[in-house]
Amino acid sequence: DQQVKQNSPSLSVQEGRISILNCDYTNSMFDYFLWYKKYPAEGPTFLISISSIKDKNEDGRFTVFLNKSAKHLSLHIVPSQPGDSAVYFCAARISSGSARQLTFGSGTQLTVLP
Amino acid sequence: ETGVTQTPRHLVMGMTNKKSLKCEQHLGHNAMYWYKQSAKKPLELMFVYNFKEQTENNSVPSRFSPECPNSSHLFLHLHTLQPEDSALYLCASSARPADTQYFGPGTRLTVL
Repeated sequence: DQQVKQNSPSLSVQEGRISILNCDYTNSMFDYFLWYKKYPAEGPTFLISISSIKDKNEDGRFTVFLNKSAKHLSLHIVPSQPGDSAVYFCAARISSGSARQLTFGSGTQLTVLP
Repeated sequence: ETGVTQTPRHLVMGMTNKKSLKCEQHLGHNAMYWYKQSAKKPLELMFVYNFKEQTENNSVPSRFSPECPNSSHLFLHLHTLQPEDSALYLCASSARPADTQYFGPGTRLTVL
């Protein structure tokens, strides 16, 4: 049973518009969430994160929103650029105890059209 | 050399071969990880090492054997693999197990 789900395998957006990538989780013990970006032939690179004590974190064009009651987070990219085309992975972890490993979603392929 | 490096980048092996994947991190981190990424699936954590000690083994078959001689190097020894083991194998490191992980480029493994 997947504890972190990215239900959209792909998303296409026009350059300059907003990209919204979604992620749902089932484990209410997760208290830290991360987004990674992966280009072909490269490993995932860390993009942005958010702690469960916050509902929003912004870094330049990237904003992550967390809705704990809905167990949902989203990544907003605005404005989208062709170089943002990549696979985006959502990940979650429990920060304390022995289970401090990341649980990843299956990824969403974002294509930004020029 | 910076970040996390992995060799080889591509590997084709038969089911009876023995091969090893190598990972090296130049970030001064203490925790290292092996992940498997199959097509259309989430990254699957295989092994976690913290200060050279294995702390997690997520029910990985014994045909995969990790080795961590020091905090900078991590190996994955492969023997008698199956075609379904074909995947991208990613290494990652972090300062501590709970910290943000930094990934290598991966080894694309094909088992014939």
